[in-house]
Amino acid sequence: QTVVTQEPSFSVSPGGTVTLTCGLSSGSVSTTFYPSWYQQTPGQAPRTLIYNTNTRSSGVPDRFSGSILGNKAALTITGAQADDESDYYCALFVGGGISVFGGGTKLTVL
Amino acid sequence: EVQLVESGGGLVRPGGSLRLSCAASGISFTDAWMAWVRQAPGKGLEWVGRIKSKTDGGTADYAVPAKGRFTISRDDSKTTLYLQMNSLETEDTAMYYCTSWGYIYGFLNWGQGALVTVSS
Repeated sequence: QTVVTQEPSFSVSPGGTVTLTCGLSSGSVSTTFYPSWYQQTPGQAPRTLIYNTNTRSSGVPDRFSGSILGNKAALTITGAQADDESDYYCALFVGGGISVFGGGTKLTVL
Repeated sequence: EVQLVESGGGLVRPGGSLRLSCAASGISFTDAWMAWVRQAPGKGLEWVGRIKSKTDGGTADYAVPAKGRFTISRDDSKTTLYLQMNSLETEDTAMYYCTSWGYIYGFLNWGQGALVTVSS
């Protein structure tokens, strides 16, 4: 069974830069997994940030960017703001019609 | 504007059944591949399954916990997606989100969710 890994928590200072990663318990993440990223604040539905590795969804500020770093997908937030404090999830298409979400990263801005 | 509106959630006893609906608007529903994602209280997102457009075969794939108990279907004439859940277990307690899905676009559009509570 495929396990998608994310850092459980991360903190960043206001105005700082943070990179969250999305890996596989076995193997490397590449663009063929079509990595996507979602932001969720408590009590709200998820919001799509990035799809197809590095394409920002409509209305998403350009301080959010996606990439492949080494063997993982990455979400970088440049110039973090207080309202970026959220849970962030990645998802990978692992083939056979199956998608898998990572366990999520709780980002604190302080 | 894309709108996905889930309904049909509620309290059900273990072993019971429930059907969720998701009414879609602002989207070319006939061409859309759709998915269900759930989130147990205090937990992360979990993919439940997805259904292809009828043009692409209309078949569905499921995560292991849903296989054999859940069925995803669609009525393109009503632009509505369904999730039939049978043999419900307490572990199925979650908010269930309806989403559009594509290889490239991922889970692009999300509904607000329907809460399902399985408890005796």
